[in-house]
Amino acid sequence: GQSLEQPSEVTAVEGAIVQINCTYQTSGFYGLSWYQQHDGGAPTFLSYNALDGLEETGRFSSFLSRSDSYGYLLLQELQMKDSASYFCAVREDSNYQLIWGAGTKLIIKP
Amino acid sequence: EAQVTQNPRYLITVTGKKLTVTCSQNMNHEYMSWYRQDPGLGLRQIYYSMNVEVTDKGDVPEGYKVSRKEKRNFPLILESPSPNQTSLYFCASSLSWTGPRATQYFGPGTRLTVL
Repeated sequence: GQSLEQPSEVTAVEGAIVQINCTYQTSGFYGLSWYQQHDGGAPTFLSYNALDGLEETGRFSSFLSRSDSYGYLLLQELQMKDSASYFCAVREDSNYQLIWGAGTKLIIKP
Repeated sequence: EAQVTQNPRYLITVTGKKLTVTCSQNMNHEYMSWYRQDPGLGLRQIYYSMNVEVTDKGDVPEGYKVSRKEKRNFPLILESPSPNQTSLYFCASSLSWTGPRATQYFGPGTRLTVL
């Protein structure tokens, strides 16, 4: 079946670096996306990887290895406002659906 | 301002009373979808639409209906709501369904409680 796995919770210290992993098992692959969702808010887009390698956008970077069906989101210089849930999502080729992970709650301590 | 709007934002209703949650986007997006979000389960797609008059089932379509008569609107209909449909609902839209153009823009969410 199709599934995405990511840790349910990650804790880090303000100013540190944290990595949130995502492994996927889908019948096809059209790119891995990451979204951020603050409590009570809507998900917002962070990054997208279609090819292997690292994509950097400010303090956030996202990595993809298609051969390993694996990706990660890297957050640097953590700030308290980064406390949120982070979701990975994969678009399959069998249909037009976007398959989502269950989300990782990032807890940042001062 | 480019946005996706949903109404109502909050709704408490009773079992069996038909309801509609509206969704509208002003970005001329082709692709629209509805999700429900429940604790520990992430986002699950209910229905999606590739374009006007083109809709298809997502992972959890039972108990829901949708229509796409106009490009900008994609209402979610619960013909006979049940308590297991109590959830947080999001509408989303994107330019296309794949590649960078598949970036989803979400509405603010509708918190539905069915008693």
